[in-house]
Amino acid sequence: GENVEQHPSTLSVQEGDSAVIKCTYSDSASNYFPWYKQELGKRPQLIIDIRSNVGEKKDQRIAVTLNKTAKHFSLHITETQPEDSAVYFCALGTSYDKVIFGPGTSLSVIP
Amino acid sequence: EAQVTQNPRYLITVTGKKLTVTCSQNMNHEYMSWYRQDPGLGLRQIYYSMNVEVTDKGDVPEGYKVSRKEKRNFPLILESPSPNQTSLYFCASSLSGGMNTEAFFGQGTRLTVV
Repeated sequence: GENVEQHPSTLSVQEGDSAVIKCTYSDSASNYFPWYKQELGKRPQLIIDIRSNVGEKKDQRIAVTLNKTAKHFSLHITETQPEDSAVYFCALGTSYDKVIFGPGTSLSVIP
Repeated sequence: EAQVTQNPRYLITVTGKKLTVTCSQNMNHEYMSWYRQDPGLGLRQIYYSMNVEVTDKGDVPEGYKVSRKEKRNFPLILESPSPNQTSLYFCASSLSGGMNTEAFFGQGTRLTVV
């Protein structure tokens, strides 16, 4: 069945450095690629998303890039801050309206 | 305030005792779904509903039931809970089908089956 791989599973960066998380998928019919942030003990919340007709999207310090040919999309966080520490999930909609989330990346920003 | 509300937040129950976790949204969303979150496995979809009276299995539907009799409510039913259903459960809703629009999550329900 459909699968989403997410790497790395854990990531530690120094405050101010950049962080990159990558997801790869196999369903070529997927056309919506969101990223969710889940702080400890809280619910996941959307931080940025991209649709298949766009290659890159930025929102202040975060950006998402999409390569539909290679079937991968990435989350980029620049100038990381301690409050960026959380678990990040990529997700995509499948051709049957099911939803698949990646396994998550635990990001730690070290002050 | 636009929100998805789950109840209860915490639940400890015994094997075999039927339980229901409620989920309600006030955003008039068509699409609702249930996920379970387990360490290292991320969020796995249990069931989803495209609209009233329309429900479909996600990736891990065994042992669960759902119903969608009203647009705003999407309860999750465990007819005979087992310890392997101990998990953190999230309900979510979105404007349209699949993940074509932002999903709004409830606060989560931490279920322990002993």
